[in-house]
Amino acid sequence: DTAVSQTPKYLVTQMGNDKSIKCEQNLGHDTMYWYKQDSKKFLKIMFSYNNKELIINETVPNRFSPKSPDKAHLNLHINSLELGDSAVYFCASSRTGGGLYNEQFFGPGTRLTVL
Amino acid sequence: KQEVTQIPAALSVPEGENLVLNCSFTDSAIYNLQWFRQDPGKGLTSLLLIQSSQREQTSGRLNASLDKSSGRSTLYIAASQPGDSATYLCAVLWQAGTALIFGKGTTLSVSS
Repeated sequence: DTAVSQTPKYLVTQMGNDKSIKCEQNLGHDTMYWYKQDSKKFLKIMFSYNNKELIINETVPNRFSPKSPDKAHLNLHINSLELGDSAVYFCASSRTGGGLYNEQFFGPGTRLTVL
Repeated sequence: KQEVTQIPAALSVPEGENLVLNCSFTDSAIYNLQWFRQDPGKGLTSLLLIQSSQREQTSGRLNASLDKSSGRSTLYIAASQPGDSATYLCAVLWQAGTALIFGKGTTLSVSS
């Protein structure tokens, strides 16, 4: 299936730990994103990469570090996890350009719970 | 500041009703607008995308309209069904290659 996939789907961890979330897309897109959905269900951009280059970096603590090894993958590493990091993290991708490009497709989300 | 607002936050209707979900946005110079559906505990499913040059898009029982001059979009759902129960999110892209700005969503409940 062509899609955006994320692993793991659920992540439960203790405060202070370091964890990573992986994202892969097989849609041939050149831009990938990380969005965070908070406890009030509000979705907000965190990072965006285009062709492996960081193009959007919102006001996010530097404990969060995205890494894009290639155009099809965008991983999110989080150091020293805090209670407030508990949220659902969504990966998305799109192809930049005109016309129907720029439609964003989302992964299933990773529910992170910090205890 | 570029913002997206969705009203109402929640809506309950009986099965079979036609209904309209509203989305408004600041700054009419949008690139495109997407409507998504999110089921509880699930990801986002893209329903319709309207380019800035378009007035409406249709998919099955769904019709989305766009009026840039007034900064509004509506999602029309015809003959609603219990399976339509979900949260509907409106998101605006103001520039190609940038991030979507989301509204807070309208949670729809359709009773049988």
